[in-house]
Amino acid sequence: GESVGLHLPTLSVQEGDNSIINCAYSNSASDYFIWYKQESGKGPQFIIDIRSNMDKRQGQRVTVLLNKTVKHLSLQIAATQPGDSAVYFCAAVNTGTASKLTFGTGTRLQVTL
Amino acid sequence: KAGVTQTPRYLIKTRGQQVTLSCSPISGHRSVSWYQQTPGQGLQFLFEYFSETQRNKGNFPGRFSGRQFSNSRSEMNVSTLELGDSALYLCASSQSAGGLDTGELFFGEGSRLTVL
Repeated sequence: GESVGLHLPTLSVQEGDNSIINCAYSNSASDYFIWYKQESGKGPQFIIDIRSNMDKRQGQRVTVLLNKTVKHLSLQIAATQPGDSAVYFCAAVNTGTASKLTFGTGTRLQVTL
Repeated sequence: KAGVTQTPRYLIKTRGQQVTLSCSPISGHRSVSWYQQTPGQGLQFLFEYFSETQRNKGNFPGRFSGRQFSNSRSEMNVSTLELGDSALYLCASSQSAGGLDTGELFFGEGSRLTVL
């Protein structure tokens, strides 16, 4: 089965700096990956996704990088703001098997002023 | 457009009791997934329903069950509650099965269950 893990439970960054949150997945057949953000007291919110035919995708202030060789993906947040403070989850799935998304345990991003 | 609505938001039960949680998906969404979230385990998949059929099931005991109605609203039930069932139960809806086409699962704010 799939397992997804994040490298650090907590990441502290200064406001204005760039943040990098890492994630590793176990199933080489996973072909679709999503990053979610969960603020305190709320449900997870979609940030950005990437399919396995890409190695990089950019959104507004966020970039996801996918390295299929080492089964690793990362979320980069540019110019981190206090509003970025949250728990970030990555999720992976093999869409070919109609399986469900497997989530990592999350990384808490703390933005200091 | 209203988001995913979960009720109740908070509840307290005692061991041995049973609980029913409700989820109303975004209008037009036919897929509803349920997740259990605990500090140590993160988000654990419970099950997914699509057009009233259970499409996928996670590794939870049979005490956890669910169903989906013709209007796509879903309920999950936990019987014979245990202390370890204390968690945030999240419901997510999507247009397609598993949300894999659009890439988005829209989550509700969850039902926080405390078992004493």
